Amino acid sequence: GQNIDQPTEMTATEGAIVQINCTYQTSGFNGLFWYQQHAGEAPTFLSYNVLDGLEEKGRFSSFLSRSKGYSYLLLKELQMKDSASYLCAVPGYIPTFGRGTSLIVHP
Amino acid sequence: EAQVTQNPRYLITVTGKKLTVTCSQNMNHEYMSWYRQDPGLGLRQIYYSMNVEVTDKGDVPEGYKVSRKEKRNFPLILESPSPNQTSLYFCASSFSTYNEQFFGPGTRLTVL
Repeated sequence: GQNIDQPTEMTATEGAIVQINCTYQTSGFNGLFWYQQHAGEAPTFLSYNVLDGLEEKGRFSSFLSRSKGYSYLLLKELQMKDSASYLCAVPGYIPTFGRGTSLIVHP
Repeated sequence: EAQVTQNPRYLITVTGKKLTVTCSQNMNHEYMSWYRQDPGLGLRQIYYSMNVEVTDKGDVPEGYKVSRKEKRNFPLILESPSPNQTSLYFCASSFSTYNEQFFGPGTRLTVL
């Protein structure tokens, strides 16, 4: 089976940096996705890691360590619009999604 | 514009009244899925389809049916809805199970 853990909620200040962690246990590994979901809206794709290391994409970066079953999403220069839920997910015929980390950015 | 559409966006119905939520994608994706999202439980897959006429159960298939007669469409059918099916439903599509998924805007269903 597959299991994903991520914190339920985080708060941060506008302009700061925040790291959202995700740990997973899977029977097979084919990469890890991060999605962003604003309240009441659909999830949208942020990043995909299949190899170890850091992938940078503008203000957002994602890191993967396959040996540790660990990933994180790093958000820099936080903006109010970054307030959202961040989901990590392991793909497959039946993907497994974490329950999401609700990030609240305050002024 | 590449997109996944769902209809209706909002629906209030009563127990036992059959309903269908439509889903359509214009990206020629082979893989399509239905999810429900409930507070504290995250996204859970109901059914998925690998291609036309190929469908299979996800994590929470009880009380739902699907069909895939055309590549672009993947309707979700609730034959006899019950209050525990009140939820936010998302349709999604991707080229394969290992590509990013594109989600529809969601259907908020309330069963009284």
